[in-house]
Amino acid sequence: GQQLNQSPQSMFIQEGEDVSMNCTSSSIFNTWLWYKQEPGEGPVLLIALYKAGELTSNGRLTAQFGITRKDSFLNISASIPSDVGIYFCAGQPPPRGGTSYGKLTFGQGTILTVHP
Amino acid sequence: SQTIHQWPATLVQPVGSPLSLECTVEGTSNPNLYWYRQAAGRGLQLLFYSIGIGQISSEVPQNLSASRPQDRQFILSSKKLLLSDSGFYLCAWSAAGNNSPLHFGNGTRLTVT
Repeated sequence: GQQLNQSPQSMFIQEGEDVSMNCTSSSIFNTWLWYKQEPGEGPVLLIALYKAGELTSNGRLTAQFGITRKDSFLNISASIPSDVGIYFCAGQPPPRGGTSYGKLTFGQGTILTVHP
Repeated sequence: SQTIHQWPATLVQPVGSPLSLECTVEGTSNPNLYWYRQAAGRGLQLLFYSIGIGQISSEVPQNLSASRPQDRQFILSSKKLLLSDSGFYLCAWSAAGNNSPLHFGNGTRLTVT
């Protein structure tokens, strides 16, 4: 099946620094999604990307859908302590057999720690 | 707006006991519904998904089952829990269609003792 390689696995940064993480796949996706999960809670959608080459921002977050449709990155600028959490990328593959459901393949997550 | 409710938030059950976790969605019709499990460490594993009432697809063989008795209700069950069933269970929904993002509930922390 499809697999996503997400890196780095963890990051320890100082408040104010910029952060970059990425995901790569051996197969193409139609949609790339980025989620943030805080302890004891479910993942929350940050950014959704629907088109190859698309660059989308959400406040201090910027994400891009790779031209090859096999990768995506997420940048966080000027990090703050509340950015702490686990960030997941997820990809939706092209539909098979006309089935319309949104099965996702998830990366293993990037644990972000921000020191004040 | 759409909301998803998942309960209970935490659960401690002995080995061999039954399980029932419930998830409901409000503010949308005919959603796709999903159950994921997140083991300690991080990855999310898709357990079941449903595109309609009574339509359940299982992704991995396991000790669990799922049911969708109503359009916006998704239930995760087990007749006899195993120690390995411990984990963080997440319900999610997406709008019908292939390019809709998933929205997650707050999860249930299940500990089997």
